Amino acid sequence: NAGVTQTPKFRVLKTGQSMTLLCAQDMNHEYMYWYRQDPGMGLRLIHYSVGEGTTAKGEVPDGYNVSRLKKQNFLLGLESAAPSQTSVYFCASSWAGAISGELFFGEGSRLTVL
Amino acid sequence: KQEVTQIPAALSVPEGENLVLNCSFTDSAIYNLQWFRQDPGKGLTSLLLIQSSQREQTSGRLNASLDKSSGRSTLYIAASQPGDSATYLCAVTGANSKLTFGKGITLSVRP
Repeated sequence: NAGVTQTPKFRVLKTGQSMTLLCAQDMNHEYMYWYRQDPGMGLRLIHYSVGEGTTAKGEVPDGYNVSRLKKQNFLLGLESAAPSQTSVYFCASSWAGAISGELFFGEGSRLTVL
Repeated sequence: KQEVTQIPAALSVPEGENLVLNCSFTDSAIYNLQWFRQDPGKGLTSLLLIQSSQREQTSGRLNASLDKSSGRSTLYIAASQPGDSATYLCAVTGANSKLTFGKGITLSVRP
């Protein structure tokens, strides 16, 4: 049971390049989330999904897009990377959402934008 | 807007000590509170989840309490060990079903 898997784990981009982070979960969870973690800022929600085919904006959605075409996968895209998007990105999933269930996190994807 | 505060930001204790980590939140209208552990370079692992109707949860040497009316939670770690060294984060789920995280307490347990 792999839980929540994120790929890639590390990536270096130049300003203006695009990339996609993939999150996959094998727990049949309905809810999936993308967070970023920055020193002194804590974890901030970027986008989330409450089920296949649905997405919604979180606290800091600008500059990011997401898709949930399959229940087990949640993709985070950067169309034109900026140095301010240098961060560690975490994906999380839960069965019934934050209201009733615990969150399971991936190990993170460290992105550096030069 | 919900704010979650964890003070101090870092704590160093000798092995074997019992310790308490504090978490405070500004809006008492929460559904639950979770404590997470994060090891360096790793993701978050859920330790304990307390629903708003509960007062405490226990798992092994860990005990978490919740006082919703005063906006406080504590994580009690008994007989601390070097392997407990990590960052501990608390997070509350508010009325909008969103999770708000504290910035964490980095714990170092000295052998």
